[in-house]
Amino acid sequence: DTGVSQDPRHKITKRGQNVTFRCDPISEHNRLYWYRQTLGQGPEFLTYFQNEAQLEKSRLLSDRFSAERPKGSFSTLEIQRTEQGDSAMYLCASSPRGTGKREDTQYFGPGTRLTVL
Amino acid sequence: SQKIEQNSEALNIQEGKTATLTCNYTNYSPAYLQWYRQDPGRGPVFLLLIRENEKEKRKERLKVTFDTTLKQSLFHITASQPADSATYLCACRGQNFVFGPGTRLSVLP
Repeated sequence: DTGVSQDPRHKITKRGQNVTFRCDPISEHNRLYWYRQTLGQGPEFLTYFQNEAQLEKSRLLSDRFSAERPKGSFSTLEIQRTEQGDSAMYLCASSPRGTGKREDTQYFGPGTRLTVL
Repeated sequence: SQKIEQNSEALNIQEGKTATLTCNYTNYSPAYLQWYRQDPGRGPVFLLLIRENEKEKRKERLKVTFDTTLKQSLFHITASQPADSATYLCACRGQNFVFGPGTRLSVLP
């Protein structure tokens, strides 16, 4: 399977714990996105990488959230001191090197469902 | 800030009919709009992209229009089938990538 993969698929944690999610993009894609999605809503942008550089970060993202993409391959999203409001589906997407138009057709992974008790 | 609205939270239609979904955007003039399909518990899947200088784009039974005056895109599925039942998301890129809330389409046999 050469699609975007995410690990774990499900995570249950207690409030106050730290969690880390991993995303492996399609191998030739240099752009990587993280989104959060709650029930009945569309994906909400969190952050964006081009290769290893984190180029954009949502103002909605608190300091408890951090993302990395070392070597421009896989990416991790860490949430520190989780709160019940962090419960959501966390989606990763990747996009191939563009033509300069930034049309960003995104290929999504299956998501990691986080439940904070 | 840029905002996308999709007119119906849910839409039920009879098999064989044409489904029409609406996407309206405000506070922005995107260079393009995208439509994605999302099934329960899965990530969105890209369907179509339409640029601001294109009035219409087709792919098999799918058709998308883009009216920059009305700030609206319409997404049509002709000869709808129960397998088309899913949530359809509209998205565009401004400062960040923004998705609408989606319309849940149910095609009844």
